[in-house]
Amino acid sequence: QVQLVQSGAEVKKPGASVRVSCKASGYTFTSYGISWVRQAPGQGLEWMGWISPYNANTDYVQKFLGRVTMTTDTSTSTAYMELRSLRSDDTAVYYCARDASNLAAGTGGYWGQGTLVSVSS
Amino acid sequence: DIQMTQSPSSLSASVGDRVTITCRASQGISDYLAWYQQQPGKVPKLLIYAASTLQSGVPSRFSGSGSGTDFTLTISSLQPEDVATYYCQKYDSVPRTFGQGTKVEI
Repeated sequence: QVQLVQSGAEVKKPGASVRVSCKASGYTFTSYGISWVRQAPGQGLEWMGWISPYNANTDYVQKFLGRVTMTTDTSTSTAYMELRSLRSDDTAVYYCARDASNLAAGTGGYWGQGTLVSVSS
Repeated sequence: DIQMTQSPSSLSASVGDRVTITCRASQGISDYLAWYQQQPGKVPKLLIYAASTLQSGVPSRFSGSGSGTDFTLTISSLQPEDVATYYCQKYDSVPRTFGQGTKVEI
């Protein structure tokens, strides 16, 4: 069965960086893209970007350009999301999500359990 | 960027009621529309993609329709386990924006 297992909670100071990992299993990792979605406390879902493990192509939301980098390691079937220059309003649960199908890039057919990133001085 | 607007923001209905949630795109997105359910404290779950295709394992009381700019998610007979926030998402192009959510209560 498809599983996405994310790294554990992080506490960071403003200005620091965080890297969240997402280890995939149960399918061919290079066949489906991975999106990163975040959810601030009590708020809705915010799509941050997408990466193709097949060719490392990425799509980022403009507001995160220059602060976010999404990568994959096909040898370990793991996706990574690094967010730099953290601010307090980056406090959120960060999810990775696999495309629902090859015709639905950017959707979340399968989700990781979420990683809470707290930013506080 | 294309904006996604859901209505209503919240609703309260009774068990067995038919519930309809609307999602409107500020520009046409063909049928590149997905619906998600997020139960309290849980991870989001995909219900529907391509506007009307039911994800495997999702109960048949959920259905989706629409194309272009106007879409609906219908729960034909509301069940207690359907208490959740529902989100639409466009995925025709970047950014693949979510709607603001509709909270469904009983």
